[in-house]
Amino acid sequence: QKEVEQNSGPLSVPEGAIASLNCTYSDRGSQSFFWYRQYSGKSPELIMSIYSNGDKEDGRFTAQLNKASQYVSLLIRDSQPSDSATYLCAPREVNKFYFGSGTKLNVKP
Amino acid sequence: GAGVSQSPSNKVTEKGKDVELRCDPISGHTALYWYRQSLGQGLEFLIYFQGNSAPDKSGLPSDRFSAERTGGSVSTLTIQRTQQEDSAVYLCASSSLAGAYEQYFGPGTRLTVT
Repeated sequence: QKEVEQNSGPLSVPEGAIASLNCTYSDRGSQSFFWYRQYSGKSPELIMSIYSNGDKEDGRFTAQLNKASQYVSLLIRDSQPSDSATYLCAPREVNKFYFGSGTKLNVKP
Repeated sequence: GAGVSQSPSNKVTEKGKDVELRCDPISGHTALYWYRQSLGQGLEFLIYFQGNSAPDKSGLPSDRFSAERTGGSVSTLTIQRTQQEDSAVYLCASSSLAGAYEQYFGPGTRLTVT
C-alpha cells in the first residue's frame, strides 16, 4: 500500500509570513513529485513539480525534495490571503499518481 | 488553449440507475486519468489511459465501474447500478508525456445518488 502523508491542518499563518507544507511518502520508486492547490469546491491546479533532490524555486513558491528521507515540502513566501486553500502532494510512480489528503492553509490578513 | 472539460457538471440520479460521465482532455494530451474525491477527502485514483488503452484499471472500486476512451481523446466513465456510496466528485485529468507528466484537471462532475 503506497501512502502519502500530509498534516491535515489547518495551518494558520499571518499575511506576509512563510508557510511550510510537508509531505512524506512510502514508495521509494516515486520518480517525480507534484504540488497542487485546491480551493474549496474547485478542482486541483498544478503549482509545481520537482524531480531531483534539492530545491526548486518558482516565484513565491519553493519545492524541496529529499528522496533519501522520502520527504517533499512546499514553501510559500510572502503568504497572501489568496493562498488560503488545501495543498495536495502527489508523488508519481511510472504512470500512476498517489495523492495525499492535503493540508489546509489559512492565511490571516 | 482550451482546458480539460467534463460533463455534466452535476448529476443527480436514483439508486440503481446507470450514469455516464464524460471527459474531453486537452488537445494532444495522450494520457488521461480519472479520480474520485469524496467530501473532505483526498483524490482516489480510478483508472489511467495511455492513448485508447488502459494499462492500469486497479483503482476501479468494483465491476460496476468501467471506462473507455476512443480516438485517443474523449473518455467516458460509466457507473452501473449506482449506490449511495458512489456519491462524490469525479475528476478527470490529462497530461502529455512531453509535458513531464504534469496533469491538468477538469472542473469535475458532482454525482449525487439519492
